[in-house]
Amino acid sequence: QVHLVDSGGGVVQPGRSLRLSCAASGFTFSSYGIHWVRQAPGKGLEWVAVISDDASKIYYADSVQGRFTLTRDNSRNILVLQMNSLRPEDTALYFCARGHSDSWYILDSWGQGTLVTVSS
Amino acid sequence: DFVMTQSPDSLSVSPGERATFNCRSSQSVFNRSNKKNYLAWYQQKPGQPPKLLIYWASTRESGVPDRFSGSGSGTDFTLTISSLQPEDVATYYCQQYYGRQITFGGGTKVEIK
Repeated sequence: QVHLVDSGGGVVQPGRSLRLSCAASGFTFSSYGIHWVRQAPGKGLEWVAVISDDASKIYYADSVQGRFTLTRDNSRNILVLQMNSLRPEDTALYFCARGHSDSWYILDSWGQGTLVTVSS
Repeated sequence: DFVMTQSPDSLSVSPGERATFNCRSSQSVFNRSNKKNYLAWYQQKPGQPPKLLIYWASTRESGVPDRFSGSGSGTDFTLTISSLQPEDVATYYCQQYYGRQITFGGGTKVEIK
């Protein structure tokens, strides 16, 4: 059974950094693209970034480009989102999600989310 | 950029009745080479992550009840719940994946009347 566990959220001051992790199990991690999607409190979904199965392709939303870095370790089945220069508008529940086998841009399994709060 | 607009914002439907909601893209998400629409639908219940319902505009994900169906092409799409069940209370989001950057609609919240 596909299992994604998001972790690393917390309260951080504006301008500081935070590192989120997504631990995967129940599938061949190295065969799937993985995304981060966030949801501000009471709001809709916003795509953040995606990394291909072999990490050769990484794309970011304009809102985080240059501040967030997405990496993966296929030997440990872990995805890491390094978030720098955080802003209050980055406050959200962050989900990692697996890309579908039909297209890595269809999100077929999601973690439960980890909450990031950016506040002074 | 692909801007996804969903309507209505909320919908109240009696159990057993049909629920229909819409999603419009600012640009076509139809790929002429493979004749596919790059449009997906998700269901999000309170306190839970989203769940994939439909992709390629009309393909139901494995395990999704057949009361859920998707239709449309190009820029205009519809998600239909043929007979609303109490467990369908949720917010429904459309998503385009034609562009390199995924975008979601603002969601339609479905409640029981």
